[in-house]
Amino acid sequence: GAVVSQHPSWVICKSGTSVKIECRSLDFQATTMFWYRQFPKQSLMLMATSNEGSKATYEQGVEKDKFLINHASLTLSTLTVTSAHPEDSSFYICSAREKRGATELFFGEGSRLTVL
Amino acid sequence: GESVGLHLPTLSVQEGDNSIINCAYSNSASDYFIWYKQESGKGPQFIIDIRSNMDKRQGQRVTVLLNKTVKHLSLQIAATQPGDSAVYFCASSSGGYQKVTFGTGTKLQVIP
Repeated sequence: GAVVSQHPSWVICKSGTSVKIECRSLDFQATTMFWYRQFPKQSLMLMATSNEGSKATYEQGVEKDKFLINHASLTLSTLTVTSAHPEDSSFYICSAREKRGATELFFGEGSRLTVL
Repeated sequence: GESVGLHLPTLSVQEGDNSIINCAYSNSASDYFIWYKQESGKGPQFIIDIRSNMDKRQGQRVTVLLNKTVKHLSLQIAATQPGDSAVYFCASSSGGYQKVTFGTGTKLQVIP
C-alpha cells in the first residue's frame, strides 16, 4: 500500500522557537495533503487542507500565521509551528490523497511535539 | 459544519466475542464513511469504508452498517482478538471526497 512518512516522529523544543514537520508520500504523488492535530485521548481535528502549488485552506479557528503549511511538491508538505508555546504540544498527523476524486486517505505515523 | 460522534467511549469485550462500535453523524450531506483503527502513538489505519448508496459492506472479520435514516454507522468485528485492542474512529466526508472529519473515538479493550 501507499506509504506516507512524517519526520520527525517526535520533537522537543523550547517555548518561542519554531518547529518544522515534514510529510512525504513515498511511492505516490499526493495532489492533496491534510494536517490533523490530536490531543491525548481525543479525536483528530483537521487543521488545514493543502493542495500542491496553492495556498492551504485552513479550518475555522486555526491560525494560518501560527501554523504555516507549504505543499511545494507532489510528494512533500511541511507544517511549521511558529513561536511554539506549551499549548501547542500535541500529536500532529498528516494524510495524503493520491488524486482528486480518490477516496482513500493514507496517514503518516504522526509527529509528537512537546514544547517546554 | 460537519460533526461525527460516537456513543460509547470505552468498550470491553472478551476475546472471541463479537464487537460492535457505534457512531452517529449529523451532516445529512455526508456521502462517504470510513472506519479507522489507531494504536497508541501511531497514525490511523484504514479498516473499511462505505458509500452512502450502500447500507452494508463486509471485509475480513469486519462489517460496516450504515443507516442513513437515523444517521448511524456501526463497525462490527467478528471473533475479536487481542490485536484488535485500539481506538476506533468513524469518519466521514461529503461532496467529492474532500476533507475527512473524525468522530470522537471508542477505545476497544479485548480481555484475553
